[in-house]
Amino acid sequence: QKEVEQNSGPLSVPEGAIASLNCTYSDRVSQSFFWYRQYSGKSPELIMSIYSNGDKEDGRFTAQLNKASQYVSLLIRDSQPSDSATYLCAVKDGTSYGKLTFGQGTILTVHP
Amino acid sequence: DAGVTQSPTHLIKTRGQQVTLRCSPKSGHDTVSWYQQALGQGPQFIFQYYEEEERQRGNFPDRFSGHQFPNYSSELNVNALLLGDSALYLCASSLRRAGELEYFGAGTRLSVL
Repeated sequence: QKEVEQNSGPLSVPEGAIASLNCTYSDRVSQSFFWYRQYSGKSPELIMSIYSNGDKEDGRFTAQLNKASQYVSLLIRDSQPSDSATYLCAVKDGTSYGKLTFGQGTILTVHP
Repeated sequence: DAGVTQSPTHLIKTRGQQVTLRCSPKSGHDTVSWYQQALGQGPQFIFQYYEEEERQRGNFPDRFSGHQFPNYSSELNVNALLLGDSALYLCASSLRRAGELEYFGAGTRLSVL
């Protein structure tokens, strides 16, 4: 079983729609959760972090965390073509030198 | 405020050669982590350096080694290169604290022929 799994893509949504990206993790001691966006040929860019159960909103982005279900998601409202990228879910454990464990990524395409 | 910088941006080597990649962390950061990202995959953790010591290591062979200098910059060395080492190598910096945000550099694209 993979440590961090993301919903298989690619995901295609029309401009203006809500894009929903999902991620599950296997390690119950995980403490910190991140979403990175990666454009083709570029490095990952941090867009959201979440540490407590519930929702966290930042502009058009909302991260949702449910530790009991070991599930984290990212919603992108009013999707734009510029949101087209690979979205990476990453999990960090609670150790002092916690490493990031990434999912395989979900490719999102927003078409006009 | 300079972000994470990596050099070189691209590198071409042949099998059996050795390579050194360099990373300067974001200003104020003291921890450097290295990741390998194969095409179509998520980044895989190689190791992390803090206070000039390797603090945690992922599932990579001893051919992969590193170093952190007193100014927090870091190097990744790979010996006896294999074709499978071809990947994007990413450096991330952060402040030492569980859950602290990691910011990535632009990466070094290594091709092994």
